[in-house]
Amino acid sequence: QSALTQPPSVSGSPGHSVTISCTGTSSDVGRYNRVSWYQQPPGTAPKLLIYEVSNRPSGVPDRFSGSKSGSTASLTISGLQAEDEADYYCSSYTNSNTLVFGGGTKLTVL
Amino acid sequence: QVQLQESGPGLVKPSETLSLTCAVSGYSISNGYSWAWVRQPPGKGLDWIGNIHHSGGGYYNPSLKSRVTISVDTSTNQFSLKLTSATAADTAIYYCATQFCGSSSCYLDFWGQGTLVTVSS
Repeated sequence: QSALTQPPSVSGSPGHSVTISCTGTSSDVGRYNRVSWYQQPPGTAPKLLIYEVSNRPSGVPDRFSGSKSGSTASLTISGLQAEDEADYYCSSYTNSNTLVFGGGTKLTVL
Repeated sequence: QVQLQESGPGLVKPSETLSLTCAVSGYSISNGYSWAWVRQPPGKGLDWIGNIHHSGGGYYNPSLKSRVTISVDTSTNQFSLKLTSATAADTAIYYCATQFCGSSSCYLDFWGQGTLVTVSS
């Protein structure tokens, strides 16, 4: 299985918005709404941010939102804060009953 | 709240078997869920290794399938990872996690803190 495609890095100023894309295929992102996003600050374990394309677990601020169109999912972070600086990973269920991650995107808050 | 803690040798020799255990607290493995392993080579991205259902069935990453075994021990509320024929490419932080897959979702919701395993002679 091939990794989902994410931009290596994105950046934005405090208070602004950024969007991270995650492109898969018809075997994963394009086939299922089983897309999730994870936030990983430096030196820590990943944390679930979004599941089922656009749902937020309890405790995740509504500044974080997800969407999907075709084989591309997106994570939008609005009202950027310094604490949002982290690596972000998308993941999708596949038609082989496995999970596949994206390569990760490093978010820099300017 | 489910809590997970990885344990095992931090150093493994090339060609030997990498073995890790994940202790689960706050939830009984036999009650359900699926139990997964994910790894992250230093400075690189996440790689899903595989999962096992509480009942014993599961799936593996095709790229690792020939070398991986994940098992569950309900008596000790732990699950384990074995990766045979280890090479330097297996050097990574290994995370255990809970994997929930429903009719319209599949995600990793609780994670251990991770343990670094280095493959070197």
